[in-house]
Amino acid sequence: QQQVKQSPQSLIVQKGGISIINCAYENTAFDYFPWYQQFPGKGPALLIAIRPDVSEKKEGRFTISFNKSAKQFSLHIMDSQPGDSATYFCAASMSGGYQKVTFGIGTKLQVIP
Amino acid sequence: DSGVTQTPKHLITATGQRVTLRCSPRSGDLSVYWYQQSLDQGLQFLIQYYNGEERAKGNILERFSAQQFPDLHSELNLSSLELGGSALYFCASSPQGTFYGYTFGSGTRLTVV
Repeated sequence: QQQVKQSPQSLIVQKGGISIINCAYENTAFDYFPWYQQFPGKGPALLIAIRPDVSEKKEGRFTISFNKSAKQFSLHIMDSQPGDSATYFCAASMSGGYQKVTFGIGTKLQVIP
Repeated sequence: DSGVTQTPKHLITATGQRVTLRCSPRSGDLSVYWYQQSLDQGLQFLIQYYNGEERAKGNILERFSAQQFPDLHSELNLSSLELGGSALYFCASSPQGTFYGYTFGSGTRLTVV
């Protein structure tokens, strides 16, 4: 049962462009939506996160857009750089209870010069 | 360094063998989570421990088991390993209280030959 659907699975963007990764969730009890960034040989690292009481959160070049009614959220990377090349995972969890995080399948982003 | 320590980093074992993966959570974190990462399955939740007690179980095979010790480190035991069982195993930890996402270790790469 895939509770968090992520697309695309791979993405190639030119340097300076905008990278967009989309996710959709099913469980309306989710109330915490983090994005993780993973470089080869490393564990995933928390990049940015949002709670459903806001529609957008921006940290530097990274922005999460959240649409509660559509149960969708997306990550935008502005002015994409080769150093952004990594795998990105969207995720969802409930902040109470056992706090288990459910991850999307991942998007492998390649930013080309 | 994320503060979550996983050992060993690499493990090569033969089919039918048993291995133990170790995780030390970040200082002060009471919850430990184990995830399996494979190319086509993304990050799959295996099991969660909180202060020594099992709290949630995911798609963990019956021949896999885990525990969390009084000093809060955790071990994941994988037995009767099969060809095709090669994967990355990640441990993550989080503090009690308001949830702000996981901190992941750098993982153990298991190769079954």
